Amino acid sequence: QKEVEQDPGPLSVPEGAIVSLNCTYSNSAFQYFMWYRQYSRKGPELLMYTYSSGNKEDGRFTAQVDKSSKYISLFIRDSQPSDSATYLCAMKTDSWGKLQFGAGTQVVVTP
Amino acid sequence: KAGVTQTPRYLIKTRGQQVTLSCSPISGHRSVSWYQQTPGQGLQFLFEYFSETQRNKGNFPGRFSGRQFSNSRSEMNVSTLELGDSALYLCASQPGLVTDTQYFGPGTRLTVL
Repeated sequence: QKEVEQDPGPLSVPEGAIVSLNCTYSNSAFQYFMWYRQYSRKGPELLMYTYSSGNKEDGRFTAQVDKSSKYISLFIRDSQPSDSATYLCAMKTDSWGKLQFGAGTQVVVTP
Repeated sequence: KAGVTQTPRYLIKTRGQQVTLSCSPISGHRSVSWYQQTPGQGLQFLFEYFSETQRNKGNFPGRFSGRQFSNSRSEMNVSTLELGDSALYLCASQPGLVTDTQYFGPGTRLTVL
């Protein structure tokens, strides 16, 4: 069993819809949680970073962490075709590097 | 501020050869991590360097090695290349321990023939 599970999709939504993404993890030592967006043939781009349970909002993006359930989510409101990309969840146990990634979910937003 | 830069962007090698990839972190960042990304295994951690010292190492064979210089620039080396080493190699930099976020470069796409 992988430490971080993420449905690879693809997830297809119409423009303007809410995109809902999630990851589950098994290692309770994970403390820091990130969401990255990766366009084809590009490096991952940091979207959201949080280290506490609860919600964090940044523009159209909301990250949610539930440490008791070992579950994290990312919501994208008012989705645009430019949001079409692969979204990767990542987490780590301490403030050093060594991120553990999910498989990534491919999102397609259709006009 | 300039982002993380990686050179070269594309590389084609044959089995048995060795390769060196380079990464320049964001100015002021002292930690550099390397990852391998493949369609089958996704993103996997290779190693992390901070102040020229390896801090963490992933589950890769000894053919994969790295180092960091005093200016925080980092290199990774893969010796005796195998077909399975074909991947996107990503470098990420982090300021240190003050903040914890990592920023990725565009990657070096290595093809082994």
